[in-house]
Amino acid sequence: QSALTQPASVSGSPGQSITISCTGTSSDVGGYNYVSWYQQHPGKAPKLMIYDVSNRPSGVSNRLSGSKSGNTASLTISGLQAEDEADYYCRSYTNSSTYVFGTGTKVTVL
Amino acid sequence: EVQLVESGGGLVQPGGSLRLSCAASGFSFSTYAMHWVRQAPGKGLEYVSAISTNGGSTSYANSVKGRFTISRDNSKNTLYLQMGSLRGEDMAVYYCARSRNDALDVWGQGTMVTVSS
Repeated sequence: QSALTQPASVSGSPGQSITISCTGTSSDVGGYNYVSWYQQHPGKAPKLMIYDVSNRPSGVSNRLSGSKSGNTASLTISGLQAEDEADYYCRSYTNSSTYVFGTGTKVTVL
Repeated sequence: EVQLVESGGGLVQPGGSLRLSCAASGFSFSTYAMHWVRQAPGKGLEYVSAISTNGGSTSYANSVKGRFTISRDNSKNTLYLQMGSLRGEDMAVYYCARSRNDALDVWGQGTMVTVSS
């Protein structure tokens, strides 16, 4: 199972919006609405930010939103803040009854 | 407080074995599927293995199938990962995580496994 494809880096200025894409296939992202997104700060454990494509867990900022079209899922961060600077990973269920993560995206706040 | 605490990491020679543990507290452990995820130094997250609530169903990444075994003891609120025939590419921080709504909503702090002679 190959990793889902994410851009290596995305950057934006404070207050701007950025979007991170996560491209898979019909065997994973395109076939199921079980896409989740994780934020990871250096040296820390990942944190769940979005589940089931577009749902936010309690306590996660509403500046984050998720969506999916075909084999590509997306995470949008609006009103970019310094605290958003981190690595972000998508994850999807697959038709092999396993899971696959994305390659990861480093978000930089300029 | 909901918490997962991994232990058992360390230095092991290539070809060796190691057993990781993940102690759960603050929630009803037996009602959640559990996962192991790893992250090699400077690399991304990688799915390793998952186990159902009663341990009756397990799954593995192709990269560890046949070498790693996931298990759980619900009476001890503990998840395990028995790792064998370890290779250099298995060197990573290993995280245990709780599965909810097919996402991983609680993570441990991780335990480092170093494979080196």
